[in-house]
Amino acid sequence: EAQVTQNPRYLITVTGKKLTVTCSQNMNHEYMSWYRQDPGLGLRQIYYSMNVEVTDKGDVPEGYKVSRKEKRNFPLILESPSPNQTSLYFCASSLNLNTEAFFGQGTRLTVV
Amino acid sequence: AQSVTQLDSQVPVFEEAPVELRCNYSSSVSVYLFWYVQYPNQGLQLLLKYLSGSTLVKGINGFEAEFNKSQTSFHLRKPSVHISDTAEYFCAVKNSGGYQKVTFGTGTKLQVIP
Repeated sequence: EAQVTQNPRYLITVTGKKLTVTCSQNMNHEYMSWYRQDPGLGLRQIYYSMNVEVTDKGDVPEGYKVSRKEKRNFPLILESPSPNQTSLYFCASSLNLNTEAFFGQGTRLTVV
Repeated sequence: AQSVTQLDSQVPVFEEAPVELRCNYSSSVSVYLFWYVQYPNQGLQLLLKYLSGSTLVKGINGFEAEFNKSQTSFHLRKPSVHISDTAEYFCAVKNSGGYQKVTFGTGTKLQVIP
């Protein structure tokens, strides 16, 4: 089954404790991205990747890091999480920039 | 730069009534347009898309949308809604070609009332 898998689905952490949210897709898609969803703000792109070893900032990259060492994986790293990063995070992939995106189930992160 | 506006943050509608969710975009070039649906506690999934050709696009679950270039709109419609259509709906736009990313609207919550 074609899918985007994120882990974990739910995470509560404390300020400053490094964490990683994993994202994996099995569709051989080139383009992957991370979004955060906040009430009233819709989806805002954090980082995206056009292909292996090619990443770039989206609209709200501050406080986040990503890597794309393999085509299927695109982890999101929060080196020192802060409460304003409490949000619902989605990973998405698409064949390329001009095709529809497939989304993961989301990761609800709470930073206390 | 491209942008998309969903003016209605919430739309309540009675079951079996018709519904229209509004989406307006801004772009100086040709665009691709998408509607996604997000059911509670789930990720987004594609409802329908307009890339080119016929301006009336049919999607899954009985939804359709019409691309209106002169009004820069891509409104989503369904003639008769069901309880199961209760969800949040996102319009998205992307300039055709090039390396610009997709821009999402702020979403419209459709609440179907029994």
